[in-house]
Amino acid sequence: DIQMTQSPSSLSASVGDRVTITCRASQSVSNYLNWYQHKPGKAPNLLIYAASSLQSGVPSRFSGSGSGTDFTLTISSLQPEDSATYYCQQSYSTPLTFGQGTKVEIK
Amino acid sequence: EVQLVQSGAEVKKPGESLRISCKGSGYSFTSYWISWVRQMPGKGLEWMGRIDPTDTYTNYSPSFQGHVTISADKSISTAYLQWSSLKASDTAMYYCARQNWGDDYWGQGTLVTVSS
Repeated sequence: DIQMTQSPSSLSASVGDRVTITCRASQSVSNYLNWYQHKPGKAPNLLIYAASSLQSGVPSRFSGSGSGTDFTLTISSLQPEDSATYYCQQSYSTPLTFGQGTKVEIK
Repeated sequence: EVQLVQSGAEVKKPGESLRISCKGSGYSFTSYWISWVRQMPGKGLEWMGRIDPTDTYTNYSPSFQGHVTISADKSISTAYLQWSSLKASDTAMYYCARQNWGDDYWGQGTLVTVSS
């Protein structure tokens, strides 16, 4: 199985801050890397697919980059509604696997 | 409008069987795989497996292989997740999702509680 490791596990930042979350795969997943936002009591929401493609309807302050084993999700200007847990997921090979999540809190 | 609608919350006893459902609408059900994802209380997302509704071909995570069964009935655009003998450790929220480039549409989740 491909292991996905996110860092940090949690962070606290102020409104307007630039936030970066990293995700590392235990082997190359090419660009088969997705990012999700998950809020309590709601279904996860796809933000980024194929490492850097913005899902329709997702605000442009979210962006993704990387290929191979190292990936980044960036929120360019943190908003109050961005408080959530963020997960990366590789869809390169089965079993598909998620990172352990990064909890983002607003100061 | 694309929708995945899951069946309601369940409370079961250990050893009992259960099948939960996920009904797709607003798109061609056989054009996309359906995945199932578990979230145990206070924990992260875990991919359980997926099914191709066209031919019911399945992939399972080794962590779930043999403990759950994923099936689908394309005639009613519905996927299923089934247990033959529940354990307390199966208590969790279960989501279905449409697999595109990423899982682009998700069901609302089904809470399964297993307690004696």
